[in-house]
Amino acid sequence: SQQGEEDPQALSIQEGENATMNCSYKTSINNLQWYRQNSGRGLVHLILIRSNEREKHSGRLRVTLDTSKKSSSLLITASRAADTASYFCATDKGGSEKLVFGKGMKLTVNP
Amino acid sequence: GAVVSQHPSWVICKSGTSVKIECRSLDFQATTMFWYRQFPKQSLMLMATSNEGSKATYEQGVEKDKFLINHASLTLSTLTVTSAHPEDSSFYICSGKWGARTEAFFGQGTRLTVV
Repeated sequence: SQQGEEDPQALSIQEGENATMNCSYKTSINNLQWYRQNSGRGLVHLILIRSNEREKHSGRLRVTLDTSKKSSSLLITASRAADTASYFCATDKGGSEKLVFGKGMKLTVNP
Repeated sequence: GAVVSQHPSWVICKSGTSVKIECRSLDFQATTMFWYRQFPKQSLMLMATSNEGSKATYEQGVEKDKFLINHASLTLSTLTVTSAHPEDSSFYICSGKWGARTEAFFGQGTRLTVV
């Protein structure tokens, strides 16, 4: 089964609105990362949050991590059409160097 | 961030032929390279992990004789799909990391179509 699972699977919003996506995982982790993938392209690293951190900001991105609930959320504020992409969470599964990806969430920001 | 260059970006080959995909880390030494496969509208599935100078470690269910991985230098890793069949058609993505850093940098991906 997938280590990470994003919720919702697809989200369509208007430009300027905020987009929130959630990720749940099953095993212990050292860190959780969020990546973005434009259609047919590779992944771009967005942000990493360590297991001892609860919240992290980077520009319009805000990530939270709740290790007790084994969940994380990614908030994109003031969304833009250019934010349209698929977003994946990835965990290191207990300190392994391997990344295990969630199923991904497709975000569509309508202009 | 660091740059990983993956080539080709797309390739069409005939069934039974072999295809090589290259992944180069341009501005860092990738001590570890990962190869993923992604089906349409699905997540990335890790195929194998390779450390420079060592044999690749394959994930369960991945045929090592079919998907040959070479990581001969700290800046180059290759994936060769041998005797390709239509079911091998997929999007293949590499990523590299160096040392103990947790962040991995991804190539642009290769769309393989076997006809």
